[in-house]
Amino acid sequence: DADVTQTPRNRITKTGKRIMLECSQTKGHDRMYWYRQDPGLGLRLIYYSFDVKDINKGEISDGYSVSRQAQAKFSLSLESAIPNQTALYFCATSARSGEKLFFGSGTQLSVL
Amino acid sequence: GENVEQHPSTLSVQEGDSAVIKCTYSDSASNYFPWYKQELGKRPQLIIDIRSNVGEKKDQRIAVTLNKTAKHFSLHITETQPEDSAVYFCAASRGLTGGGNKLTFGTGTQLKVEL
Repeated sequence: DADVTQTPRNRITKTGKRIMLECSQTKGHDRMYWYRQDPGLGLRLIYYSFDVKDINKGEISDGYSVSRQAQAKFSLSLESAIPNQTALYFCATSARSGEKLFFGSGTQLSVL
Repeated sequence: GENVEQHPSTLSVQEGDSAVIKCTYSDSASNYFPWYKQELGKRPQLIIDIRSNVGEKKDQRIAVTLNKTAKHFSLHITETQPEDSAVYFCAASRGLTGGGNKLTFGTGTQLKVEL
């Protein structure tokens, strides 16, 4: 089945380290997103990309950067991780012609 | 930008009862309102959505209502079952024609259906 795959599933890192979360999809969707989930805060948009040459900041982009290496790949980087970036991170995709989001299985990141 | 508020944050019902979750939004240009369900340890999945030209939409035991004037929308689950236990998120966006598909989510409602 076409899917959205995130790696790693879990990651523990230390303050100040650079870390990359990866997302790949086989759905053929043009649009990709990175969301962060925190208890009591819901899902908040970090960055989104509507095609390979398009990158846009979401509501909480500070401290994060992204790279859209291909239509199927969208990576999220934390240049210098800090403890309040501990969260569950979701990648999502959508088709150009639709609003439905398809989420990956998530990456649980802990910054010590 | 858009702001979506969701209530209650937790909801406990007896099996067979109805559950209602309410959301309000701030951007009058929002025209697409989906609901996502996230089971424990799983990814969020779309369960129902509604557009601004429709006041109500039903799919079996779930329904969503929209009041554009008051800028609020609600999820109704009837005859609740244990498998309905999950976190539910409402969201809003301007849709594909209004600046792209940027969803703003509510903070979530933990629904527990007790036997």
